[in-house]
Amino acid sequence: RKEVEQDPGPFNVPEGATVAFNCTYSNSASQSFFWYRQDCRKEPKLLMSVYSSGNEDGRFTAQLNRASQYISLLIRDSKLSDSATYLCVPPGDFGNEKLTFGTGTRLTIIP
Amino acid sequence: DGGITQSPKYLFRKEGQNVTLSCEQNLNHDAMYWYRQDPGQGLRLIYYSQIVNDFQKGDIAEGYSVSREKKESFPLTVTSAQKNPTAFYLCASSIGDRGRSPLHFGNGTRLTVT
Repeated sequence: RKEVEQDPGPFNVPEGATVAFNCTYSNSASQSFFWYRQDCRKEPKLLMSVYSSGNEDGRFTAQLNRASQYISLLIRDSKLSDSATYLCVPPGDFGNEKLTFGTGTRLTIIP
Repeated sequence: DGGITQSPKYLFRKEGQNVTLSCEQNLNHDAMYWYRQDPGQGLRLIYYSQIVNDFQKGDIAEGYSVSREKKESFPLTVTSAQKNPTAFYLCASSIGDRGRSPLHFGNGTRLTVT
């Protein structure tokens, strides 16, 4: 299995809908993971940090499933401004700073 | 304001020339990273440094070199040995607590080699 795998999409979702996508990983030591959002031709920006099994921030919910080694991102009541590429950084090797990104999931919210 | 600065934003070079991309941070972060992104692709790790005077190869280090002589600076040299250097290069930093802290990114440098 690759170190980090994401469904590249694209996900085309109507405005107001709920959308979820996963990120699977092969390392399982650390307790923290991150979701980033990247707009076209821009740098990634941190969306959510999670230091346990999950986190909720407004319309966004991130969860970690250690047994199955995947992390998920759920977006409720999607807005046009949610259109972006979402990148995951799963738990890395404990004691190591190496952080590997997934390839990203492209999301487009349709009016 | 603290942040991470990459320069230049756009860079053009002729094939066969080495080129150095600048990355400076004033966040007092120990760890720094270089990623490469090709159109429609994810970020791939080139090199990373956990502390001054130390760095490790990432997944695609061939054709690149780095130095970490100062905590604030982590320049990346794209050598003529890199076969496909045209890409979007992103520098990032973090506190450096073994992957428990998120990355802060610079605005990136778009390198075009012809």
